[in-house]
Amino acid sequence: QKEVEQNSGPLSVPEGAIASLNCTYSDRGSQSFFWYRQYSGKSPELIMSIYSNGDKEDGRFTAQLNKASQYVSLLIRDSQPSDSATYLCAPRDRDDKIIFGKGTRLHILP
Amino acid sequence: KAGVTQTPRYLIKTRGQQVTLSCSPISGHRSVSWYQQTPGQGLQFLFEYFSETQRNKGNFPGRFSGRQFSNSRSEMNVSTLELGDSALYLCASSLLLAPKHYEQYFGPGTRLTVT
Repeated sequence: QKEVEQNSGPLSVPEGAIASLNCTYSDRGSQSFFWYRQYSGKSPELIMSIYSNGDKEDGRFTAQLNKASQYVSLLIRDSQPSDSATYLCAPRDRDDKIIFGKGTRLHILP
Repeated sequence: KAGVTQTPRYLIKTRGQQVTLSCSPISGHRSVSWYQQTPGQGLQFLFEYFSETQRNKGNFPGRFSGRQFSNSRSEMNVSTLELGDSALYLCASSLLLAPKHYEQYFGPGTRLTVT
């Protein structure tokens, strides 16, 4: 059973600080990795994709991938109250299926 | 460019009935995937269609089926509904960027309640 593990949270971060969200996955054959943000009652929204080891930055978001450690993370700089949501880690496995973690609830404290 | 659209947005059905949900992908996207989201199990993959062919399938019973039409629109059907089928059903469409490196964009979902 392929697994994606995320801390369910809630992770509370002061406004303006860096939020760090972590994810581990079990399938070593995973090649692409996605982070989705989901607000309560809404559908998931793609915020980052990463395919190679290292860092990828997009605005306030940085995704980090370490395939050897089977670890992917998302950093959110200058956190805003509007960043409060559930963040879903989603690797695409060797069978080309996207497997979603159950998400980390992030709460930005004003 | 219009996003992924799903109809209906809300649905209430009775146990034993069947239901059909519809999804129209983003223009130009040829891959459509379906997911079930519940509070307990999270987001679970149902199946994926590409160019009218099912190219991948999750671990759901045969009561769950789908199809894709030549215009890339997709439908999923659930027969003999059970209470446990109550969930948010999400459709996602994809544009292939590179082999195995394509991104999915979700529609707003259909909230199904089975009573």
